[in-house]
Amino acid sequence: EVQLLESGGGLVQPGGSLRLSCAASGFTFSSYGMIWVRQAPGRGLEWVSAITGNYGAYYADSVKGRFTISRDNSKNTMYLQMNSLRVDDTAVYYCAKDLPSATCCDSWGQGTLVTVSS
Amino acid sequence: QSVLTQPPSVSAAPGQQVTISCSGSSSNVGKNYVSWYQQLPGTAPKLLIYENNKRPSGIPDRFSGSKSGTSATLGITGLQTGDEADYYCGTWDSSLRVGVFGGGTKLTVL
Repeated sequence: EVQLLESGGGLVQPGGSLRLSCAASGFTFSSYGMIWVRQAPGRGLEWVSAITGNYGAYYADSVKGRFTISRDNSKNTMYLQMNSLRVDDTAVYYCAKDLPSATCCDSWGQGTLVTVSS
Repeated sequence: QSVLTQPPSVSAAPGQQVTISCSGSSSNVGKNYVSWYQQLPGTAPKLLIYENNKRPSGIPDRFSGSKSGTSATLGITGLQTGDEADYYCGTWDSSLRVGVFGGGTKLTVL
């Protein structure tokens, strides 16, 4: 059974940093692309970033230059380093796994809440 | 403003059917597979349809997907109160090189 477990969320001041982690199990992690999707309170889903199995990275314009996605295939873990956080980055952050066809997303974590506030 | 356009809400009575549209462009829906997700209140999204019209294991055949040109459609038949949720379409945009979602559609089963 595929399991994705996010961690690292919390309260941070504007301009601060956080690193989210997504621990994966139940599948061959290195063979799949992974994605971060966020959802601001009361809002819809927003695609944030993706990383392919061979480390190609993609970013939404809203986070480009501030967020960095990475993965450690030896630890079956994906990360999202978030710098220069803004109030509008406040959201539940979900990690998700690509389908074999490299399209999003057949499994999702439970999410971790990031609150950016002074 | 979402790249993919969905109606904000749809409603129908139990037992009836409903369709939810997802309109995009030639660089996203027109070029790539579309997925549909169901999000029940307070929970993570769940994959309902992938590769335009395929259902993952465990998804009942009351749910169906189709795509034509730059639009995709989710169909739900035999509506149940448990189907009340937010529904999202999603795909890849080959020009923007990002994933994109619709703004979501709230389904109410009256």
